[in-house]
Amino acid sequence: EAQVTQNPRYLITVTGKKLTVTCSQNMNHEYMSWYRQDPGLGLRQIYYSMNVEVTDKGDVPEGYKVSRKEKRNFPLILESPSPNQTSLYFCASRVGPYYSPLHFGNGTRLTVT
Amino acid sequence: AQKVTQAQTEISVVEKEDVTLDCVYETRDTTYYLFWYKQPPSGELVFLIRRNSFDEQNEISGRYSWNFQKSTSSFNFTITASQVVDSAVYFCALAGGATNKLIFGTGTLLAVQP
Repeated sequence: EAQVTQNPRYLITVTGKKLTVTCSQNMNHEYMSWYRQDPGLGLRQIYYSMNVEVTDKGDVPEGYKVSRKEKRNFPLILESPSPNQTSLYFCASRVGPYYSPLHFGNGTRLTVT
Repeated sequence: AQKVTQAQTEISVVEKEDVTLDCVYETRDTTYYLFWYKQPPSGELVFLIRRNSFDEQNEISGRYSWNFQKSTSSFNFTITASQVVDSAVYFCALAGGATNKLIFGTGTLLAVQP
């Protein structure tokens, strides 16, 4: 089944404790992206990757890192999480052109206390 | 700058009512694409439809229909004879050629009461 898989689904952590949210897609998509969803703000792009070893900042990259060493994986790293990073995170991928629909993972709800 | 506005934060209707979700967009691109996504209470994001800026034909899919009007920069979504299963947050989004991201509106929460 074609899908984008994120783990974990739920995560509660404390300020400053490094964490990684994994994202993997099995559709051979070149483009992958991370979004965060907050009430009243919709979804905002954090980082995106056009292909392996090619990443770039989105609208809200501060406090996040990403890497794209393999085509299928695009982990999101929070090296020192803070409470304002409490949010619902989505990984997404698409087949190529900017007008292709995004395929989303099921989301990761992160709480930082 | 690109922007998507969904002015309706929440809408509540009774089952079988028709409901229209509004979406207004801003872009300087001449070629762009508009999308609607559905987020049911389970949380996943489900793609519903994509339209390009050169195709202003209305689209109908079962109880769903979409009205794209470039003159008013709007891409509205109508659900006919709403059902409880339509309860969800609906997002309108815009993709233009100049950026590599999908720009989302803030979403409209639709609650369909039995």
